[in-house]
Amino acid sequence: NAGVMQNPRHLVRRRGQEARLRCSPMKGHSHVYWYRQLPEEGLKFMVYLQKENIIDESGMPKERFSAEFPKEGPSILRIQQVVRGDSAAYFCASSPPREAEKAFFGQGTRLTVV
Amino acid sequence: DQQVKQNSPSLSVQEGRISILNCDYTNSMFDYFLWYKKYPAEGPTFLISISSIKDKNEDGRFTVFLNKSAKHLSLHIVPSQPGDSAVYFCAANSPYSGGSNYKLTFGKGTLLTVNP
Repeated sequence: NAGVMQNPRHLVRRRGQEARLRCSPMKGHSHVYWYRQLPEEGLKFMVYLQKENIIDESGMPKERFSAEFPKEGPSILRIQQVVRGDSAAYFCASSPPREAEKAFFGQGTRLTVV
Repeated sequence: DQQVKQNSPSLSVQEGRISILNCDYTNSMFDYFLWYKKYPAEGPTFLISISSIKDKNEDGRFTVFLNKSAKHLSLHIVPSQPGDSAVYFCAANSPYSGGSNYKLTFGKGTLLTVNP
């Protein structure tokens, strides 16, 4: 699963700043999924994207969070005006079409809001 | 609310013995269950899955059992090896994902330590 690259690995932001998390899927994978792991909890689905298309964002908080997967470049998870409660590990996974259950996960980005 | 529960935060077993990791769920609409393994500083890796129409699935040393009436599943590793030491996550798929198993809800994980 080293093929899914997330950066940065660690990100520290002050309250009110913006956080941008990047995910480069494995070669040949056109589907990307973002999950969030809050402290002392399991991973929870946030959003499912294909190139230039958001398929399902039902797990995304209604405000301040957005995600994109452009035609060229990595998928970006953007959090505006971060608050302490956004501190978590954010995992990205990628898969070919129709193989979501065998998606490969990246190492995650640990966001700390101070 | 924690819809997928792994009540044992850790488990320690001897090499060669059986490891049994347990998972309970509350949502009877879950129709597909998965186990992932996670090493430190890495992302989760898919291990084995089971559909709700089955009660057992086996893959080498790993077997997953599903008891729908009890809303319980377990992962058996036989024989356990030191390289199996990792955090194991149980996950369940929401039925509202059009048959594609991406809308997963994970448990908090169980740290398995296999002692040589």
